[in-house]
Amino acid sequence: QKEVEQNSGPLSVPEGAIASLNCTYSDRVSQSFFWYRQYSGKSPELIMSIYSNGDKEDGRFTAQLNKASQYVSLLIRDSQPSDSATYLCAVKTEAGGYNKLIFGAGTRLAVHP
Amino acid sequence: DVKVTQSSRYLVKRTGEKVFLECVQDMDHENMFWYRQDPGLGLRLIYFSYDVKMKEKGDIPEGYSVSREKKERFSLILESASTNQTSMYLCASSLRGGGNEKLFFGSGTQLSVL
Repeated sequence: QKEVEQNSGPLSVPEGAIASLNCTYSDRVSQSFFWYRQYSGKSPELIMSIYSNGDKEDGRFTAQLNKASQYVSLLIRDSQPSDSATYLCAVKTEAGGYNKLIFGAGTRLAVHP
Repeated sequence: DVKVTQSSRYLVKRTGEKVFLECVQDMDHENMFWYRQDPGLGLRLIYFSYDVKMKEKGDIPEGYSVSREKKERFSLILESASTNQTSMYLCASSLRGGGNEKLFFGSGTQLSVL
C-alpha cells in the first residue's frame, strides 16, 4: 500500500511567523505532489502543486520537493490567523493502470495572534 | 465556479439499511470520486469513475458500490450499512487529463449508522 505520511500536529505558530509543514511518501516513482487546505467543517481545496525538485512560490506559500529523499513541504510566510486549517499532502500515484491521489492524514495548523 | 453538490449534509441510518449518497457536478467533468474522511486516517478513496457507466475500485471498496448512469451524477451505495461506515463522505470531480489532481469537492455528508 502506497503511503503518504504527515505529522498530525497541531502545529502552533505565532502570527507573522513561518509555518513549515512536512510530508513524506513511499512511492518512489511519484511525479506530482499537491497541498490541499481544509478549514474546519469545510471541504479540501487545492492551494499548491509541484512537479519538479526545488521550490515553487505562490504569494506567501512555498512548496518544496526533494524526490531523492521522498519528501515535500509547504512553507507559509507571515502566517495569519486565517491560515489556521488542516493541510493535506497528496501524491499522485499509478495503480491498476489508473492515476489517483493518495492523501496524507493532514497537519492541523493553528496561528495565534 | 465548479459546483459539486451532495444531496445531504447529515444523515442518520440504522444498521442493515441500504443507503444512497448522491453527488451532482455542474462543470461537465469526466472524473468523479468518492472518499471517506476519518480522524487520523485522512481521505481514503472508495470508488472512482472516469466515464459514464464506468467504475473502478479505490482503496477501500468493501461494503460499497457505485452507479454512474449520467455524466454529472455519481452515486455511492451502502448495501447494508454498518456502524463502521459512520464517517464523513466526500464526493469530488475533476477534468480528464492533467492527472486529475485538481479535485473539486462537495460539502460532504456526515453519515451516522446506529
